[in-house]
Amino acid sequence: DAGVTQSPTHLIKTRGQQVTLRCSPISGHKSVSWYQQVLGQGPQFIFQYYEKEERGRGNFPDRFSARQFPNYSSELNVNALLLGDSALYLCASTLGGSSYNEQFFGPGTRLTVL
Amino acid sequence: AQTVTQSQPEMSVQEAETVTLSCTYDTSESDYYLFWYKQPPSRQMILVIRQEAYKQQNATENRFSVNFQKAAKSFSLKISDSQLGDAAMYFCAYRRAGNNRKLIWGLGTSLAVNP
Repeated sequence: DAGVTQSPTHLIKTRGQQVTLRCSPISGHKSVSWYQQVLGQGPQFIFQYYEKEERGRGNFPDRFSARQFPNYSSELNVNALLLGDSALYLCASTLGGSSYNEQFFGPGTRLTVL
Repeated sequence: AQTVTQSQPEMSVQEAETVTLSCTYDTSESDYYLFWYKQPPSRQMILVIRQEAYKQQNATENRFSVNFQKAAKSFSLKISDSQLGDAAMYFCAYRRAGNNRKLIWGLGTSLAVNP
């Protein structure tokens, strides 16, 4: 079975632009979470979606938004990019919403903002 | 607010030896889960081991085991018979029990395995 997939792998943008990152969860998984991992740090939680509804939001500005589609794939959008948005963006899928469920991570999207 | 602290930015171990990575956390909750994740240079985050706070028995997965001290809020990872493929960033993470809870992460420990 395919794992969590993310696209694109790498992305270079300039300040002020907008970006959309995509994530496809493992088949049958209904929950998707997004994390931002700045170089040399641990991931920071951005959003969680379960059954197409937002179930959690981290301490990120409104420039960050996300959605989950009927097939449970998800998009993360970031508007008005800043240099500080440069990071690895990780998507994780979970079978359900329980904290017991293991989160399976994708390979990430490396975003560079110039 | 819950926090996770990894006080060892870098560690090294000789191949076939044992190494212990430290993690402490702070929470007022009694029911939660603790995790160790491994992130090799290829970037894919992989779950190494999981511990439920209500279980007194320490979790073990092959060469990986934890020392869970709930009262001390300590959760260390022991890697036995270290292999070259164990070289990676290791992250300790906390998740409150319940539905739709986020993972809270430490800063990570970079483990080098010397041949």
